[in-house]
Amino acid sequence: AAGVIQSPRHLIKEKRETATLKCYPIPRHDTVYWYQQGPGQDPQFLISFYEKMQSDKGSIPDRFSAQQFSDYHSELNMSSLELGDSALYFCASSSGTDPSGANVLTFGAGSRLTVL
Amino acid sequence: QKEVEQDPGPLSVPEGAIVSLNCTYSNSAFQYFMWYRQYSRKGPELLMYTYSSGNKEDGRFTAQVDKSSKYISLFIRDSQPSDSATYLCAMRANRDDKIIFGKGTRLHILP
Repeated sequence: AAGVIQSPRHLIKEKRETATLKCYPIPRHDTVYWYQQGPGQDPQFLISFYEKMQSDKGSIPDRFSAQQFSDYHSELNMSSLELGDSALYFCASSSGTDPSGANVLTFGAGSRLTVL
Repeated sequence: QKEVEQDPGPLSVPEGAIVSLNCTYSNSAFQYFMWYRQYSRKGPELLMYTYSSGNKEDGRFTAQVDKSSKYISLFIRDSQPSDSATYLCAMRANRDDKIIFGKGTRLHILP
């Protein structure tokens, strides 16, 4: 079965640079979530999109922005990178029409960002 | 105080033992409760999903929710070395809400 695809898997950037992470949700999933997981930390919710519109916003810095495109893939753009942005960035997708009613999230393998 | 509290461990148990993992939470609006398993350098993988209070069993795994105590548990029977991972509890108030995670408990099953 198709899963959530994230790219790149690994990314190394220097301070003050810009990075873009991409997420391709499971086909027919209409909601995308972005989470940030620092070393030894729980995943922290950043932002979510439903049908290409922002649906919820968490602890996302102003330096970060995201969007969901017409094909439902999403991109997380991070500018003026700081050392503290080094983390695993997970994308998850879900379907509001899940017949079980659970609307559970399926996570991708993550993109590991290292800021030097 | 975080909305979801979970002992980070590590928790080491011998193979074949019963493992008990727990979380407490403060938001009484939470209705949907999940357990995710995360292997090193991988994304969280859904193990169990429960709505409201009660028990749910799936193979060697049993999830329990006690909303009156704001306490959820995951039991693993006949634990295997392949169960060694970080287990994250997660919950949400409504089915369309973001999920709030616990810190995760690192579990080591000793052969």
